[in-house]
Amino acid sequence: SYELTQPPSVSVSPGQTARITCSGDALPKKYAYWYQQKSGQAPVLVIYEDSKRPSGIPERFSGSSSGTMATLTISGAQVEDEADYYCYSTDSSGNHSFWVFGGGTKLTVL
Amino acid sequence: EVQLVESGGGLIQPGGSLRLSCAASGFTVSSNYMSWVRQAPGKGLEWVSVIYSGGSTYYADSVKGRFTISRDNSKNTLYLQMNSLRAEDTAVYYCATITYWGQGTLVTVSS
Repeated sequence: SYELTQPPSVSVSPGQTARITCSGDALPKKYAYWYQQKSGQAPVLVIYEDSKRPSGIPERFSGSSSGTMATLTISGAQVEDEADYYCYSTDSSGNHSFWVFGGGTKLTVL
Repeated sequence: EVQLVESGGGLIQPGGSLRLSCAASGFTVSSNYMSWVRQAPGKGLEWVSVIYSGGSTYYADSVKGRFTISRDNSKNTLYLQMNSLRAEDTAVYYCATITYWGQGTLVTVSS
């Protein structure tokens, strides 16, 4: 089965740059999406189609993708950015299409 | 404003069935591809199923043959019929597009 691999945790000090990676074999041909989930809340889309930022998402959030790795970058991380982050993508096998989440990365900003 | 509101969760015994609903407003369910995503307590997000605008449906291996995704265009509502429920199906179930998510409904499978 298809897997997206993320580091379990990333820790930075306020104002530093946080980078969260997501590795998957299909990422060279499929978009990556990134979600932020704070405790007890539904996920919020922060990056779509590898590098696009939805309206209302701060400019410090950016995304990139190269080869089999997508990266979410938070430039000048704030305490309020502390959350779980998930990458999301799709693949297909034969006539079966499916979506998959990475295991999630807990970002600590302190 | 786009809203997705799930309902239908609850406590159910192993082997039982439940149907989840997701009422959409502010956009047309049939014009978008929509998914069900679940999150077991303390765990990560797990994709469950998708229905595309053309009607094609796909499922995660963990629910294939037990769950059925569907939609009612006249009611602008997405459904998830869940049969033969197991303890490991216990989770908050979200309906979602790429951009919009509901607040989720909790399904607890326990005797």
